[in-house]
Amino acid sequence: GEDVEQSLFLSVREGDSSVINCTYTDSSSTYLYWYKQEPGAGLQLLTYIFSNMDMKQDQRLTVLLNKKDKHLSLRIADTQTGDSAIYFCAEARARNAGNMLTFGGGTRLMVKP
Amino acid sequence: DGGITQSPKYLFRKEGQNVTLSCEQNLNHDAMYWYRQDPGQGLRLIYYSQIVNDFQKGDIAEGYSVSREKKESFPLTVTSAQKNPTAFYLCASSEPTDTEAFFGQGTRLTVV
Repeated sequence: GEDVEQSLFLSVREGDSSVINCTYTDSSSTYLYWYKQEPGAGLQLLTYIFSNMDMKQDQRLTVLLNKKDKHLSLRIADTQTGDSAIYFCAEARARNAGNMLTFGGGTRLMVKP
Repeated sequence: DGGITQSPKYLFRKEGQNVTLSCEQNLNHDAMYWYRQDPGQGLRLIYYSQIVNDFQKGDIAEGYSVSREKKESFPLTVTSAQKNPTAFYLCASSEPTDTEAFFGQGTRLTVV
């Protein structure tokens, strides 16, 4: 099957690093994404990584991809209260040459002051 | 500004009624998508369209219908056949081969 799984909840203190993990099953995934959703809002793309990369860094965000274990992680350095949100990982799979996304269930990040 | 607009933000429907959710984009994207989000769950694909006048069923299309008469518009109708329609509905658009899908702000549908 084509499943993407994440833990439901993560709580950290302001200033600490947060690590959100994701596992996926489709080995043909081309791109893997991290989206952020604030309450009552749509999804905002944070970052993405191509499947032939191991790591991508973008300011406070670091994405690590272990393709062998089909494991993706998002590290947020110096986590702030404004980072409190739900984070979704998603994989892109080919369907009729389109760009279909399969989403995980989301990890709710709570940042305590 | 370019973007994707969903309306209304909140929608209430009586049981047995059809209701249509609006999604408009001015990004000139060929592909548009409808997702459903339930509490504590990820997004599930309802329908998608990669080009005008063409659309395909997603993973949970039963009880829904769409049309794509214009490139910028992809309305979703939730029919009375949808057994559990209360959810948060998200529309997205992209170029089919692009890495990023742009999302609207969502419509929360409640059946009363």
